[in-house]
Amino acid sequence: GAVVSQHPSWVICKSGTSVKIECRSLDFQATTMFWYRQFPKQSLMLMATSNEGSKATYEQGVEKDKFLINHASLTLSTLTVTSAHPEDSSFYICSARMGATLNTEAFFGQGTRLTVV
Amino acid sequence: GQSLEQPSEVTAVEGAIVQINCTYQTSGFYGLSWYQQHDGGAPTFLSYNALDGLEETGRFSSFLSRSDSYGYLLLQELQMKDSASYFCAGSGCGGATNKLIFGTGTLLAVQP
Repeated sequence: GAVVSQHPSWVICKSGTSVKIECRSLDFQATTMFWYRQFPKQSLMLMATSNEGSKATYEQGVEKDKFLINHASLTLSTLTVTSAHPEDSSFYICSARMGATLNTEAFFGQGTRLTVV
Repeated sequence: GQSLEQPSEVTAVEGAIVQINCTYQTSGFYGLSWYQQHDGGAPTFLSYNALDGLEETGRFSSFLSRSDSYGYLLLQELQMKDSASYFCAGSGCGGATNKLIFGTGTLLAVQP
């Protein structure tokens, strides 16, 4: 299957700092990528849809000024958690689909475990 | 909006058959997918139903009834390695975003 690489896999940062997470599609081009957040023992919550060359589409309740998304190329999307606080500690996962049809499999990055202290 | 509900936990023994249900309320819904996630790992795709009926993929089968807003994942010949969280996910909310909305998730524990 297709490969989506996410980096870093885990990070610990101090409260008030910003953290950038990268999501790359290694062997296919992805005009759209998706960012999810997952708290322990809970489901994946869609945060935003990252669109190559245009602004991201955020889900209701997600602060766009806090979670900055940039999709500068067909293989790279970045999520920056600005001024991170302990409540932002979570597992962040990106995904991408190879095609535009609805039955194409979604491929997920390995996830980034963010701990803010 | 979309919401997909699943039982929170299911326990079964090796070799058994288990069914994980998913009931949903959606608008603009086009299909149901199933994903497996081991603790600390990324979700991996298991199955997809675009139409009503049963889809079989090895030990895993998935069923969809759009008229009942209901689907399930059937796991046969359970193995210890099947212990994981399982999520149904709804596809399509209109437009070209093709996003997946995940269900509440079911933690499956397989016992010897």
